[in-house]
Amino acid sequence: AQSVTQPDIHITVSEGASLELRCNYSYGATPYLFWYVQSPGQGLQLLLKYFSGDTLVQGIKGFEAEFKRSQSSFNLRKPSVHWSDAAEYFCAVGLFNNAGNMLTFGGGTRLMVKP
Amino acid sequence: NAGVTQTPKFQVLKTGQSMTLQCAQDMNHEYMSWYRQDPGMGLRLIHYSVGAGITDQGEVPNGYNVSRSTTEDFPLRLLSAAPSQTSVYFCASRQGERNSPLHFGNGTRLTVT
Repeated sequence: AQSVTQPDIHITVSEGASLELRCNYSYGATPYLFWYVQSPGQGLQLLLKYFSGDTLVQGIKGFEAEFKRSQSSFNLRKPSVHWSDAAEYFCAVGLFNNAGNMLTFGGGTRLMVKP
Repeated sequence: NAGVTQTPKFQVLKTGQSMTLQCAQDMNHEYMSWYRQDPGMGLRLIHYSVGAGITDQGEVPNGYNVSRSTTEDFPLRLLSAAPSQTSVYFCASRQGERNSPLHFGNGTRLTVT
């Protein structure tokens, strides 16, 4: 069964600083990979996704992520963090087979932004 | 366009009580699913449906029932609530194509005392 690990439970960065959130997965084949963001009291919003092709994918709100097969990683990055980026971020691995939408989530990383 | 709508937003139950969490989507999505979110554990799949009349179990199905009589609605039933079911519940849906992302509702926060 696939699994997703987000090693950092909490991260604090200063506004304007760069950000990298780590995500490692365990899966027997190339998975579908996603990053979602959750603001307090809200559902999850898709930031970006990777299915195939170019390993560097661009998402909304200035985020990008790079798929590295050799490291089984899909880290999320942003060059300059804004205070509004404070939220919880979830990495997810998708197994979209004929049986349905099986999506496995990591435990999440809570991002705090210092002024 | 309302997207995925969940009701209620908050609910408190006593152990042994039953209730139904409602989920409706207006995007004509084939796939619908229920997740529960617990601190440090991300979201875990409870049940899912690939179309009207078809449901299947996810990772943590025990204590929950679902049905899918229409494309739009996918209610989650707790037959006899337990404190271990205290959680935030999210309904999600997506189109049938493999590269379609999940669309999430805003969640239902359930407390079982």
